[in-house]
Amino acid sequence: DGGITQSPKYLFRKEGQNVTLSCEQNLNHDAMYWYRQDPGQGLRLIYYSQIVNDFQKGDIAEGYSVSREKKESFPLTVTSAQKNPTAFYLCASSNSGRNPPGAKNIQYFGAGTRLSVL
Amino acid sequence: SQQGEEDPQALSIQEGENATMNCSYKTSINNLQWYRQNSGRGLVHLILIRSNEREKHSGRLRVTLDTSKKSSSLLITASRAADTASYFCATPSGSARQLTFGSGTQLTVLP
Repeated sequence: DGGITQSPKYLFRKEGQNVTLSCEQNLNHDAMYWYRQDPGQGLRLIYYSQIVNDFQKGDIAEGYSVSREKKESFPLTVTSAQKNPTAFYLCASSNSGRNPPGAKNIQYFGAGTRLSVL
Repeated sequence: SQQGEEDPQALSIQEGENATMNCSYKTSINNLQWYRQNSGRGLVHLILIRSNEREKHSGRLRVTLDTSKKSSSLLITASRAADTASYFCATPSGSARQLTFGSGTQLTVLP
């Protein structure tokens, strides 16, 4: 799982509770991403960030929030507005292709956090 | 939105056999990537093929790309039980170098 650390590995959320998933990378990558994966499905993009202090909504951002105060960190908060949060959450990073020149947009993934609802 | 769709959804073979997975996509691309995911783990990048390449090899992996048919295939030769995993194709999307992943092929290699 390279230089990306996700924690915790397992997380349980009570109804009405906000929970935060941690993602830290030591690869000096500019771009970071959060995906949601449901059983037997592919990955769906929640949020992404190309640089510090900037982030964009992905395909399924409703009920989630993020911050990017440091290059190494991109935490995801699953809010109480997300009515079906049970899923496997994956964080990834890439070098965004700008530095070094010609670099490819290969993404490096963490080991994931499995979120369940109590 | 799903750009790549893998086929078959599931594949079960005996150790030593070859495994072939296919990916179709909808829009023009400049490259296509394949990733592997072991159960309950993150994805690992396997190989990238550019739009001007037709075939690429990496160890026991062979990837082809047919841009006229908007399709790619991943061949794993002489499969091993340790190859059991889900395999996803991914194509660039959006303006910020995002990737869109297909729904994956679940490969089971029986010992």
